[in-house]
Amino acid sequence: GQNIDQPTEMTATEGAIVQINCTYQTSGFNGLFWYQQHAGEAPTFLSYNVLDGLEEKGRFSSFLSRSKGYSYLLLKELQMKDSASYLCAIKAAGNKLTFGGGTRVLVKP
Amino acid sequence: DAGITQSPRHKVTETGTPVTLRCHQTENHRYMYWYRQDPGHGLRLIHYSYGVKDTDKGEVSDGYSVSRSKTEDFLLTLESATSSQTSVYFCAISDPDKNTEAFFGQGTRLTVV
Repeated sequence: GQNIDQPTEMTATEGAIVQINCTYQTSGFNGLFWYQQHAGEAPTFLSYNVLDGLEEKGRFSSFLSRSKGYSYLLLKELQMKDSASYLCAIKAAGNKLTFGGGTRVLVKP
Repeated sequence: DAGITQSPRHKVTETGTPVTLRCHQTENHRYMYWYRQDPGHGLRLIHYSYGVKDTDKGEVSDGYSVSRSKTEDFLLTLESATSSQTSVYFCAISDPDKNTEAFFGQGTRLTVV
């Protein structure tokens, strides 16, 4: 099975940087995803890591260490619209996709 | 946006009644998933499908059944609804042969009274 842990909530200031950590244990690993979910809306895809290292996409970066079972999502130059929940998910064998509990990020002016 | 539609979007039903939620896709993706989302629990996988008539259980499958008789439709049935099944239900689709990420429907808010 899978076990995915991430902090429940984080607060940061507009313009700052926030790092959301995700640790996991899984039997079989085919990739790690980060999704963003605004309140009352569906999750939307942010990033995908399958190899170790950093993937950068604009203000968002995601890092993966498979040996440590660890990933983080880095949000730079925070904007008010970044207030949302951020979901870490593991794709295991058979394309089974399992999510962590999500991290709610509150951006303050 | 990926062509994925959930119906109904909102439903109120009584305890003990059967309920079926529908997920319809126009993307011809092989994999389809049903999740429920509750405060403090994130998205929890109920069932998923990897092809027509091919389904498997997720972490919270008790009280739910699914069927996939066509590529485009994945049905979730609550055989006898209970108040603990009040939740927001999301359907997702993916196909590793086409792209890596899963796409989500807009969700169905189900209330069992």
